[in-house]
Amino acid sequence: RKEVEQDPGPFNVPEGATVAFNCTYSNSASQSFFWYRQDCRKEPKLLMSVYSSGNEDGRFTAQLNRASQYISLLIRDSKLSDSATYLCVVGQGNTPLVFGKGTRLSVIA
Amino acid sequence: EAGVVQSPRYKIIEKKQPVAFWCNPISGHNTLYWYLQNLGQGPELLIRYENEEAVDDSQLPKDRFSAERLKGVDSTLKIQPAELGDSAVYLCASSSPTGTRVVFGPGTRLTVL
Repeated sequence: RKEVEQDPGPFNVPEGATVAFNCTYSNSASQSFFWYRQDCRKEPKLLMSVYSSGNEDGRFTAQLNRASQYISLLIRDSKLSDSATYLCVVGQGNTPLVFGKGTRLSVIA
Repeated sequence: EAGVVQSPRYKIIEKKQPVAFWCNPISGHNTLYWYLQNLGQGPELLIRYENEEAVDDSQLPKDRFSAERLKGVDSTLKIQPAELGDSAVYLCASSSPTGTRVVFGPGTRLTVL
């Protein structure tokens, strides 16, 4: 079983749609959780950290369920510029240690 | 602020040749990371430095890979000899002691022929 598993997609959604990505992790001792965004042939960039209480940043909402070892990302009112690969990451402190393969999102006009 | 700088951006070599990648982290960032990213995969951590000390190199294939950060600033990652399977993007990243954000450089795309 891989340490971090994500549905690779692609998710093709129209502009304005709401889309949700899920991720599971195998190491129950994992301390930190993140979503990174990676555009084609670019470096990953931190989208948001994920906290047990859940957190929201504009149109993006992240949730963590430690009991089920499950992380989610919700994007509301999708924009064309949201098209990218979204990487689920578990780590230690602020160190991203294990990345999932990523979920590819295409937002269509 | 200036970002993480990596060079070269692209490198093509023949198998069995040596290759080196260079990284200059963001000023003031004492933690430096090297990751490897294969096509269609997420990055994999190779080594993490706190200043000049390698605090986690458990995933670095030490038979052919080596890294150094002699003065706790710039870092070099070397492969000798390179194999076909080493073709990938090598990403450097850095973070500050008080920061919560790890910043990645643009990467070096290595092709081994």
